[in-house]
Amino acid sequence: GNSVTQMEGPVTLSEEAFLTINCTYTATGYPSLFWYVQYPGEGLQLLLKATKADDKGSNKGFEATYRKETTSFHLEKGSVQVSDSAVYFCALTRPGAGSYQLTFGKGTKLSVIP
Amino acid sequence: NAGVTQTPKFRVLKTGQSMTLLCAQDMNHEYMYWYRQDPGMGLRLIHYSVGEGTTAKGEVPDGYNVSRLKKQNFLLGLESAAPSQTSVYFCASSYVVGDLAPQDTQYFGPGTRLTVL
Repeated sequence: GNSVTQMEGPVTLSEEAFLTINCTYTATGYPSLFWYVQYPGEGLQLLLKATKADDKGSNKGFEATYRKETTSFHLEKGSVQVSDSAVYFCALTRPGAGSYQLTFGKGTKLSVIP
Repeated sequence: NAGVTQTPKFRVLKTGQSMTLLCAQDMNHEYMYWYRQDPGMGLRLIHYSVGEGTTAKGEVPDGYNVSRLKKQNFLLGLESAAPSQTSVYFCASSYVVGDLAPQDTQYFGPGTRLTVL
């Protein structure tokens, strides 16, 4: 079955530090890959996505590249801000008729200190 | 355009009590989902619906029932609550881009925090 493994948290960084959150997946076929973010007290919202190999998703300074050869979708940001403090979830869905369910990783909590 | 809304935001139940969580979306989405979020477990799919009048089981359906009588609403019911159902419940919805196209973004509600004593 499908599964997503992401690095354990929590991660604490100083403002302007470089961020990497690792995510690897197991899936049949060609899944679409997502990063969702959950700010304190809120629901999840899509941060970025990639639907095929070598695609790069980007949004708000965050980037992730779909690497089929390493089955990875690592999240990166060059300079984090305090406002980036949140829980980040890597997720996938396998396209195809009747298969629209998201499989989530366990989440990585990021805290950015001034 | 309110997006996805959930009612109530918080609830405390005693073991054995029943309740219904309401999810509503105003985006005309076909697909709707119920997830539960537990510490260290990420989100797990409880039930989902691919259209009005249809529902299907997800990863952790036991102890829950759902109904989709109207396209915009998706109800999650707990007939006899148990402490193991203490969790944060999220509803989500998405649209379909053709039968064989990759699923696009799921839009999430703000969540319902349920405590079962």
